[in-house]
Amino acid sequence: DAKTTQPTSMDCAEGRAANLPCNHSTISGNEYVYWYRQIHSQGPQYIIHGLKNNETNEMASLIITEDRKSSTLILPHATLRDTAVYYCIGTDSWGKLQFGAGTQVVVTP
Amino acid sequence: GAVVSQHPSWVICKSGTSVKIECRSLDFQATTMFWYRQFPKQSLMLMATSNEGSKATYEQGVEKDKFLINHASLTLSTLTVTSAHPEDSSFYICSARDLRLAGGTDTQYFGPGTRLTVL
Repeated sequence: DAKTTQPTSMDCAEGRAANLPCNHSTISGNEYVYWYRQIHSQGPQYIIHGLKNNETNEMASLIITEDRKSSTLILPHATLRDTAVYYCIGTDSWGKLQFGAGTQVVVTP
Repeated sequence: GAVVSQHPSWVICKSGTSVKIECRSLDFQATTMFWYRQFPKQSLMLMATSNEGSKATYEQGVEKDKFLINHASLTLSTLTVTSAHPEDSSFYICSARDLRLAGGTDTQYFGPGTRLTVL
């Protein structure tokens, strides 16, 4: 089962790139890493997931280290609406998402 | 695509009554649905997993007779909180997964959540 660790909180400036780190040193070779975010009082929103290669979509980029022990989620141009709790998530052997405490990201003007 | 809805978005009920929450996948068929609970300032806690047409699998410590889950179709799952008490007040969130949609991964799509307050 992949366990992840993230910083408790991060501040970033509006318009700048936000780089969110995650350590997942126990991840196994076939386990994906998922990123979700949760804006206050809403359900989590899927952002991106990856296995080995770096991934990019309309929301973010995911950079995974070659040893797969860590990854970084990049929000290229943070806006105030990106303020949320960001979860870096692995799965257990049954494919269930393992939510941790996440990183509270606050984007400031 | 991959939209999940929940109804109601919030509900207030009296202690001892039962409350039903619906979770629907609007534009895909969910082979598996999940129910989570979230208390203030805490992360999501998985309550149960349900596959269409099968009995739900509950996480340790979750009372199956109190939290009844029905997954009768590929687009609808319901959670009924029976004999609700104030300590059941929480934010209940469902998610849905379709392995075909997710390219074989475990990607889940979440509903907006239901705020339950038991007086």
